[in-house]
Amino acid sequence: EDKVVQSPLSLVVHEGDTVTLNCSYEVTNFRSLLWYKQEKKAPTFLFMLTSSGIEKKSGRLSSILDKKELFSILNITATQTGDSAVYLCAPFDNAGNMLTFGGGTRLMVKP
Amino acid sequence: EAGVTQFPSHSVIEKGQTVTLRCDPISGHDNLYWYRRVMGKEIKFLLHFVKESKQDESGMPNNRFLAERTGGTYSTLKVQPAELEDSGVYFCASSQVVDTQYFGPGTRLTVL
Repeated sequence: EDKVVQSPLSLVVHEGDTVTLNCSYEVTNFRSLLWYKQEKKAPTFLFMLTSSGIEKKSGRLSSILDKKELFSILNITATQTGDSAVYLCAPFDNAGNMLTFGGGTRLMVKP
Repeated sequence: EAGVTQFPSHSVIEKGQTVTLRCDPISGHDNLYWYRRVMGKEIKFLLHFVKESKQDESGMPNNRFLAERTGGTYSTLKVQPAELEDSGVYFCASSQVVDTQYFGPGTRLTVL
């Protein structure tokens, strides 16, 4: 059975801090890994990673995938209160055409 | 471009009753997915439509759940009869490319 573990479970930081969120996975037929940010309602798409070692960046957020060690990290630099959310990683299993979600990391950024 | 929309945002029903949830995907997206998160658990896959056809329904918990996508546009998920353990948030997602899925805001279902 596919398995996704995210760490830490939750994190409280102050504005300006840099955070690293971790995602390790076991997926039968891996195709890609997605990161989402969930504030109140809909998980919002952040990144899709398919290749090892290639960093994807969007503003203060960046993410990288290691397909050999089966993990991904999401970095947020110079955090702001608006970054407070649950961050979800979800590898895509090509066999089942589905995303398998981790439990998420709850990030709280204090002013 | 409008995102994925879901209706209602919250439904409260009694055990044994029927509820129908609706999802309108992003226009032009052939792939439509239903997921569910029950209290304290991860978001779990329920099923996948490609246009009007069910591609994969391996995540459907039991035969009290029925999903349809007539005409390949919006989809409905009916729970009949609802049980207490069906309470949770039901998410719909759509995509053109299978692995880049855009999620709706979810329907919170509470079964009393």
